[in-house]
Amino acid sequence: AQKVTQAQTEISVVEKEDVTLDCVYETRDTTYYLFWYKQPPSGELVFLIRRNSFDEQNEISGRYSWNFQKSTSSFNFTITASQVVDSAVYFCALSEANSGYSTLTFGKGTMLLVSP
Amino acid sequence: GAVVSQHPSWVICKSGTSVKIECRSLDFQATTMFWYRQFPKQSLMLMATSNEGSKATYEQGVEKDKFLINHASLTLSTLTVTSAHPEDSSFYICSARGPGTAYEQYFGPGTRLTVT
Repeated sequence: AQKVTQAQTEISVVEKEDVTLDCVYETRDTTYYLFWYKQPPSGELVFLIRRNSFDEQNEISGRYSWNFQKSTSSFNFTITASQVVDSAVYFCALSEANSGYSTLTFGKGTMLLVSP
Repeated sequence: GAVVSQHPSWVICKSGTSVKIECRSLDFQATTMFWYRQFPKQSLMLMATSNEGSKATYEQGVEKDKFLINHASLTLSTLTVTSAHPEDSSFYICSARGPGTAYEQYFGPGTRLTVT
């Protein structure tokens, strides 16, 4: 069965610090997608990234970067030079080909608090 | 593109009444829509999956007679919480996907339901 673990429940940092959010997944499928979403206090989910299981290249988008390592079943998310606006709950999610990618399994989320 | 709206954004109802939540795909045809529930400080839990023109498939533990889902058109799905009780108070989020979205689910902004 698919499972996503975000072991960090809450992280507090001071502005301009770098922070890494961990995500470990379990799946029997060889083809899957991994996602990161941001949920600010307003509640709306904001899509950040989708990564195919065959693409292990790390991705950088501005202050955001993602490290995908199949060997450790991890898909970690790093924010460099954090800002107060980064404060939100971040969810990692997994979708398997076996389900037709119809089932998104979410981790429990990591609440990031960035203080000035 | 790929915008999903929900209405209402928040609703307060009395215990025992029913409330309907709408989910619309504004600029694409949503052959599949998903309904999630999120309790405070918890992750998103899939309630049901609906394909246009078919009966919804409910996740284990979700009462189909209590949470009525209708997906009668390619742009609209509705979730009706019947005989609502305070424990049904939650944040309900829909998502949609369709041809051309490459298995991507696009999320609505959510509806906060409070049952008094």
